[in-house]
Amino acid sequence: DQQVKQNSPSLSVQEGRISILNCDYTNSMFDYFLWYKKYPAEGPTFLISISSIKDKNEDGRFTVFLNKSAKHLSLHIVPSQPGDSAVYFCAARPMDSNYQLIWGAGTKLIIKP
Amino acid sequence: DSGVTQTPKHLITATGQRVTLRCSPRSGDLSVYWYQQSLDQGLQFLIQYYNGEERAKGNILERFSAQQFPDLHSELNLSSLELGDSALYFCASSSRVGAMSEAFFGQGTRLTVV
Repeated sequence: DQQVKQNSPSLSVQEGRISILNCDYTNSMFDYFLWYKKYPAEGPTFLISISSIKDKNEDGRFTVFLNKSAKHLSLHIVPSQPGDSAVYFCAARPMDSNYQLIWGAGTKLIIKP
Repeated sequence: DSGVTQTPKHLITATGQRVTLRCSPRSGDLSVYWYQQSLDQGLQFLIQYYNGEERAKGNILERFSAQQFPDLHSELNLSSLELGDSALYFCASSSRVGAMSEAFFGQGTRLTVV
């Protein structure tokens, strides 16, 4: 039973346009959500996070939106650049754990020149 | 370069065998996490150590064990290997307990069981 779902295995976006990556979760007991980026042959790297008490967090070209009623979060990248081509993972932290993260399966983002 | 070193990068072994994966955390990091990523799946948390002591356990099979040594490097031991154990195994380290947003991941060890 997947508690964190990324329903799009891949997404292709034109350079300069907005990339929107989506993530849905089923457990209301998550208090923190994180996005990671992963290039081939490398480990995931932390990108941006959001607390469950907020609905938006922005860091440069990256913005994460959280809709608690819909149990949905999204990562917006504006403008998209070729270096953004990577696999993006959504992860959620259970309230009763500081250690564990529940991960989505990832979405492969391809930025077309 | 994240500063976290995992060896070996690739490992091919037969069913029933035992392997050891090694992780050297970033200098000064006391926390080490192990994750498993099977094909087209998200990362599954296995276990965490902090300064030599086990801190948290996730979906780690009884055939798997881990330890963190006094020099803070960690090893993940996988025994009685099955085909389904084929996966990418990641190690991550952080300076604090529970600060996953501050954790750095290694490149991973790709294990193939044949």
